[in-house]
Amino acid sequence: GAGVSQTPSNKVTEKGKYVELRCDPISGHTALYWYRQSLGQGPEFLIYFQGTGAADDSGLPNDRFFAVRPEGSVSTLKIQRTERGDSAVYLCASSRGQGSYEQYFGPGTRLTVT
Amino acid sequence: QQQVKQSPQSLIVQKGGISIINCAYENTAFDYFPWYQQFPGKGPALLIAIRPDVSEKKEGRFTISFNKSAKQFSLHIMDSQPGDSATYFCAAGRVDKFYFGSGTKLNVKP
Repeated sequence: GAGVSQTPSNKVTEKGKYVELRCDPISGHTALYWYRQSLGQGPEFLIYFQGTGAADDSGLPNDRFFAVRPEGSVSTLKIQRTERGDSAVYLCASSRGQGSYEQYFGPGTRLTVT
Repeated sequence: QQQVKQSPQSLIVQKGGISIINCAYENTAFDYFPWYQQFPGKGPALLIAIRPDVSEKKEGRFTISFNKSAKQFSLHIMDSQPGDSATYFCAAGRVDKFYFGSGTKLNVKP
């Protein structure tokens, strides 16, 4: 079956611009996670959705970052007024929810802010 | 405070040898400890995971050893192969959030 997909695979934007990153979870997975991975580092938690609601957004670095999941499936991570420090790979993961711990990751979106 | 510390940063092992990667965690409330394998340009792939009620779990050539009192766990890769060359991440957490280690780059020499 299809895994987690993320689009675009690469995004180059200028400092100050707005970007949207999309995640399509595995079908039927109710839990969805966003992580950020900087070069040479492990993934860093950003936000967790259970269904349509953000159950934990404590990892979002500041109010320029926002994520939605309006129908409980596809999620969009939105970054306003991008800064060069936002450059990283943004990873999405999904799990079955209902207490299931196994998270399955997508290939990521590499964001470069120039 | 770094929630999960991973070592070594890099590891070179001969084909057929044993690769050992170690992690330590801070929060005793964590109840799930997975290991992920990541190839360049790909997302992390779940390898094996353990819950704190057992001290060891084995799946094929991969074994997790878990020491709850020491708050440490490790990944052992038996009979290491060149195809195992990748970056490995440990993680610890609960269902809503994982904290990842900084990664170990494994190179298995033929």
